[in-house]
Amino acid sequence: GENVEQHPSTLSVQEGDSAVIKCTYSDSASNYFPWYKQELGKGPQLIIDIRSNVGEKKDQRIAVTLNKTAKHFSLHITETQPEDSAVYFCAAGAPGRRALTFGSGTRLQVQP
Amino acid sequence: NAGVTQTPKFRILKIGQSMTLQCTQDMNHNYMYWYRQDPGMGLKLIYYSVGAGITDKGEVPNGYNVSRSTTEDFPLRLELAAPSQTSVYFCASSLGTSVSYEQYFGPGTRLTVT
Repeated sequence: GENVEQHPSTLSVQEGDSAVIKCTYSDSASNYFPWYKQELGKGPQLIIDIRSNVGEKKDQRIAVTLNKTAKHFSLHITETQPEDSAVYFCAAGAPGRRALTFGSGTRLQVQP
Repeated sequence: NAGVTQTPKFRILKIGQSMTLQCTQDMNHNYMYWYRQDPGMGLKLIYYSVGAGITDKGEVPNGYNVSRSTTEDFPLRLELAAPSQTSVYFCASSLGTSVSYEQYFGPGTRLTVT
């Protein structure tokens, strides 16, 4: 089955700096890669996703890049703000696979 | 649209007790999922359903049961609660992988077994 590894497990940055979280996946059939943000006491919420037919996708301060050859994808947050502090999960999905496979999560802390 | 709703928000159980965690979605999604999240850990899939009447085991199904009698509801049953089942439980739903992979999560149920 699919295995998704996520690094780092914790990340602390100063407000205004950039943050990068990386994930690798094992199954070359995976073609959908979402990123979820989980704020304290809440359920995960989708913030951005990318499909395997594109290499990069941006949405304001967040971007995701995908390298299919190396089987890794990354979340980039620029100009971080205190409200970006949360746990971030990457995941991988594939046709025929009925559930997403999640990474273990990264706790991001943005220091004001 | 309320999205995915879960009840209760919090519950304390004694060892050996049973309970049902409720999950309802109003988005007409075919796929529904139950995850558990232990402190500082990721999401582990307990059970999932691809439609009414169809359920299947995930990564950690032992000690749990589910049913899916309607599209909207996907309750999770804990029989003979054990301290190892102390966790936060999330329900999620999705249109289905052939149409949309996005999963929508409920707010969670925090369960403590003592």
